[in-house]
Amino acid sequence: LAKTTQPISMDSYEGQEVNITCSHNNIATNDYITWYQQFPSQGPRFIIQGYKTKVTNEVASLFIPADRKSSTLSLPRVSLSDTAVYYCLVGGQGNLIFGKGTKLSVKP
Amino acid sequence: DSGVTQTPKHLITATGQRVTLRCSPRSGDLSVYWYQQSLDQGLQFLIQYYNGEERAKGNILERFSAQQFPDLHSELNLSSLELGDSALYFCASSERTTYNEQFFGPGTRLTVL
Repeated sequence: LAKTTQPISMDSYEGQEVNITCSHNNIATNDYITWYQQFPSQGPRFIIQGYKTKVTNEVASLFIPADRKSSTLSLPRVSLSDTAVYYCLVGGQGNLIFGKGTKLSVKP
Repeated sequence: DSGVTQTPKHLITATGQRVTLRCSPRSGDLSVYWYQQSLDQGLQFLIQYYNGEERAKGNILERFSAQQFPDLHSELNLSSLELGDSALYFCASSERTTYNEQFFGPGTRLTVL
C-alpha cells in the first residue's frame, strides 16, 4: 500500500506562490493522486487530481514527475482564505491513503 | 454545501454502547465512502460502497460495519465502543468510482465517555 508523507506545516505571505510536496514511494500503477483542502470543522474539499505530468485548473496546479513517487500541489498567489490543511490522497480501486496533512498559514 | 448530509452532527455515548451514523449522498452519486478523522491517526479510509455493494475496505475494525441501502443512503454502525473510537466520522460520495472527485459531508463528531 502506498504510504504518503507531507510536511506538517508551511508558512507563506499573501500573494506568494506555495508549493506543497507529497511523497508516495509505493504508489501503484492504477493509483491516482488527489489533493483536498480542509477548514476547521468542515469536511475536506476537492482541489485537483492527476495521474502523471501536469494538471491545472482554476485554483491550482499539480505536478507529477515521471516516476510518480511524489507530487507537488502549487497554489498561485495565496490569500488569507487559503489558510487551511491540505491533504494528498493516493489511491484507486481499493484502499485510499491520505497523508497526515500540511497546515498552511498565510500571513498578511 | 457539498450536497452530502450526515446525521447526527454530534453524538455522545458511553463505552460498550452501539451507535449508527447516517449519510445521504449527493443526488445521482452511486459511491459512498466512510472516513475516520482523529488527531493522532489523521484521515483514515474505512470502507466504500458502490450502488449497494461493498467495493473496497480500508482500516475498518471488526466492531464497525456499514451498509448502503437501495435509496443509496448509507449507515455506519459502531459497536462495543471504546474511548479510542472518539473521532470525527466523515461520509463522502462520488459519481462512480474512487477515481472521481469525492464530496464530503460535514461529519459526525462522536465522543465516547
